[in-house]
Amino acid sequence: DTAVSQTPKYLVTQMGNDKSIKCEQNLGHDTMYWYKQDSKKFLKIMFSYNNKELIINETVPNRFSPKSPDKAHLNLHINSLELGDSAVYFCASSQSAGTNEQFFGPGTRLTVL
Amino acid sequence: AQSVTQLGSHVSVSEGALVLLRCNYSSSVPPYLFWYVQYPNQGLQLLLKYTTGATLVKGINGFEAEFKKSETSFHLTKPSAHMSDAAEYFCAVSDDGNQFYFGTGTSLTVIP
Repeated sequence: DTAVSQTPKYLVTQMGNDKSIKCEQNLGHDTMYWYKQDSKKFLKIMFSYNNKELIINETVPNRFSPKSPDKAHLNLHINSLELGDSAVYFCASSQSAGTNEQFFGPGTRLTVL
Repeated sequence: AQSVTQLGSHVSVSEGALVLLRCNYSSSVPPYLFWYVQYPNQGLQLLLKYTTGATLVKGINGFEAEFKKSETSFHLTKPSAHMSDAAEYFCAVSDDGNQFYFGTGTSLTVIP
């Protein structure tokens, strides 16, 4: 009964490929997020969705496209992968947008060769 | 714009000693402040948060933090370190509850 799950856990791919990371939460939360954590552990928000609507879209290359088919899922699709995309990507959810606790998934370690 | 500074990317303490992890923030409005912990190969877990009210906030695993507006600080403390406290700790700030800004993290090592 994992609260926030991500697949895959590890992803190794070549430059130029397109890949997707899936995220699902079973907490009944309205808001979901994608974060990128680089090799120096710096954690930066990429996107936030509230009830399937985009509310935060940080300065992220448009090769990154989030998709929220329903409020329990927020997938991240990345086109034309680059070496600099290598990082750990975390999905998170919260009850609603606001000061609520964010629950994080276990992360997806993406390595671009 | 918000920013968070965590002084000391690595902190080592002996088991049983005081843990002090420093966090300073910049915010143009009263902030919401958070501490998260990340164990190896896991996602972040909330330790504690300050939104309004009492400035001394108690969290899980014996941790607490005090919001000091005059010092723009939100330092995390624990009176006695345990081996299981070894992890990465992140301070985060938000001014509206939507956009969260994380510090660069402090890696805590506990020496037996």
